[in-house]
Amino acid sequence: NAGVTQTPKFRILKIGQSMTLQCAQDMNHNYMYWYRQDPGMGLKLIYYSVGAGITDKGEVPNGYNVSRSTTEDFPLRLELAAPSQTSVYFCASSYPKAGGDTGELFFGEGSRLTVL
Amino acid sequence: DQQVKQNSPSLSVQEGRISILNCDYTNSMFDYFLWYKKYPAEGPTFLISISSIKDKNEDGRFTVFLNKSAKHLSLHIVPSQPGDSAVYFCATYNNNDMRFGAGTRLTVKP
Repeated sequence: NAGVTQTPKFRILKIGQSMTLQCAQDMNHNYMYWYRQDPGMGLKLIYYSVGAGITDKGEVPNGYNVSRSTTEDFPLRLELAAPSQTSVYFCASSYPKAGGDTGELFFGEGSRLTVL
Repeated sequence: DQQVKQNSPSLSVQEGRISILNCDYTNSMFDYFLWYKKYPAEGPTFLISISSIKDKNEDGRFTVFLNKSAKHLSLHIVPSQPGDSAVYFCATYNNNDMRFGAGTRLTVKP
């Protein structure tokens, strides 16, 4: 089981460039999430999805887009990169357990993005 | 607004002693409270959680305490081991809304 796989692990972008961070999970989880972590800060939710074809904004969605065409994949798109988007990005997945959704997330290893 | 606060950025303890990590929250509407552990260059991994209707949950060396009147959460690790050295994040969760604290770096010295 690979779990949650993120690519690329590192990327340097120039201001105004676009890119997509890929995320795939092989655990058949319904829920998927994108977080960013800035230095000295907690993780902040960018977007999430509760199933294929369904996405919703999190706490900090501006400057990002997502899609969820399959259960396995949840790519995050940066259209016009800005220095404020320099961060470490984490993708996560979860499944609602019998008895309720407890919030236990499975995270990928992260993608470190620098915008210069 | 910082709804989840971990006021100690770092903590150092001796191997075999107790580690106590603290977390305060402002919103009373959360259903679950969780602790995640993170090693360098890895993603966070789930450690332990507690429902808002409980005040204690134990899993081996790890115990989480919830004080709802004080809006305070703590994680006790007994006995602490060098392999426990990591960054610990507390988080609150309700209906796809998870809020993380900034983390506390725990160092367990041999």
